[in-house]
Amino acid sequence: DAKTTQPTSMDCAEGRAANLPCNHSTISGNEYVYWYRQIHSQGPQYIIHGLKNNETNEMASLIITEDRKSSTLILPHATLRDTAVYYCIVRGNTGANSKLTFGKGITLSVRP
Amino acid sequence: GAVVSQHPSRVICKSGTSVKIECRSLDFQATTMFWYRQFPKQSLMLMATSNEGSKATYEQGVEKDKFLINHASLTLSTLTVTSAHPEDSSFYICSARELALYNEQFFGPGTRLTVL
Repeated sequence: DAKTTQPTSMDCAEGRAANLPCNHSTISGNEYVYWYRQIHSQGPQYIIHGLKNNETNEMASLIITEDRKSSTLILPHATLRDTAVYYCIVRGNTGANSKLTFGKGITLSVRP
Repeated sequence: GAVVSQHPSRVICKSGTSVKIECRSLDFQATTMFWYRQFPKQSLMLMATSNEGSKATYEQGVEKDKFLINHASLTLSTLTVTSAHPEDSSFYICSARELALYNEQFFGPGTRLTVL
């Protein structure tokens, strides 16, 4: 049970912002939202995570709604190398709830 | 971010043989390591969780006698696929978490196992 739902796929033009949505309506108060991506035949790469505040790093921004039931990962200027499967994961901090459980993710295709 | 390596990157073996995959955390001490398996066009499935010096905890449906996990040091975990069969062919990925960086979990590049 991945606890999140994401669209199957989306595409965007190179250089434009890619906004990847994620629903996590059953998230608990102590659970974080994590984003990883997996480029074909490689291990997943950590992107960003957050609890309730919006977060930004050199790779992306994470916007979490006030009720925390959904979030959006923003890649501000997508490049061809950003083509990958993006996983939105809800994870707690203790015990079994602290495991990263991967759903199907969303396949982002960046077109030239 | 922290670096996790795996060796080998790909391996081909005959049915019935055993294969060992190594996972190393290169610049941090991994108090907890995880092993995942990924079949083609599917997502990652967690196989087991291991803490340094303790026995691994296996997910439901994963045979602990077939997939032997050893986490003897803070920088090394091994997964041994015993008596491998063609249905064990998959992409095996390890992941490591450091106690001081509890919220971050880093993944290795994966090992492609093909059993003939």
